[in-house]
Amino acid sequence: GQQLNQSPQSMFIQEGEDVSMNCTSSSIFNTWLWYKQDPGEGPVLLIALYKAGELTSNGRLTAQFGITRKDSFLNISASIPSDVGIYFCAGPRFAGTASKLTFGTGTRLQVTL
Amino acid sequence: DTEVTQTPKHLVMGMTNKKSLKCEQHMGHRAMYWYKQKAKKPPELMFVYSYEKLSINESVPSRFSPECPNSSLLNLHLHALQPEDSALYLCASRIAGGPNEQFFGPGTRLTVL
Repeated sequence: GQQLNQSPQSMFIQEGEDVSMNCTSSSIFNTWLWYKQDPGEGPVLLIALYKAGELTSNGRLTAQFGITRKDSFLNISASIPSDVGIYFCAGPRFAGTASKLTFGTGTRLQVTL
Repeated sequence: DTEVTQTPKHLVMGMTNKKSLKCEQHMGHRAMYWYKQKAKKPPELMFVYSYEKLSINESVPSRFSPECPNSSLLNLHLHALQPEDSALYLCASRIAGGPNEQFFGPGTRLTVL
């Protein structure tokens, strides 16, 4: 089925560094969502994007909805240890009256002091 | 109240046991979801309820039986599971017919012996 590809798959960075990751699709999405998941916990919604070209910030996080509507980007500035986790992008698909999310493959972020 | 709660947090069961997972939200969301997540993988959709009616079943084996007794509660009944069913089970909810943002619970870690 439809899959969203995220890159990088994983990354080690030092505290204080900026982080960039992206999510690409072979088809168009009208919404992009970014989630963060800590080990053993449920995903937490970070940012929602609704318009092509839109740039939205949430604290140190900034996400962009790609112009082609086939990609999205997430940046984290001045990373801190609690940024460790897996970041998933997701896009909705409609099946009848229900909406379901297609998730990306995930980017695992590890931050060293 | 802006959270989704799940109980139990952890569950260990044998292959002949019957158990149930519970999910609750009081955000007035009328769409609720069950996902299964294996380690280092994105969540996989199992079931979607919309206005308390089952609207999507992603070809899930019948040993998993969902139930939505009212607009705030979602149950997942488990019977005769296999060891490969061990996973993190996540519940999520969203405003039916509204924005596509889904809000996740903390999950139930299920181990089948």
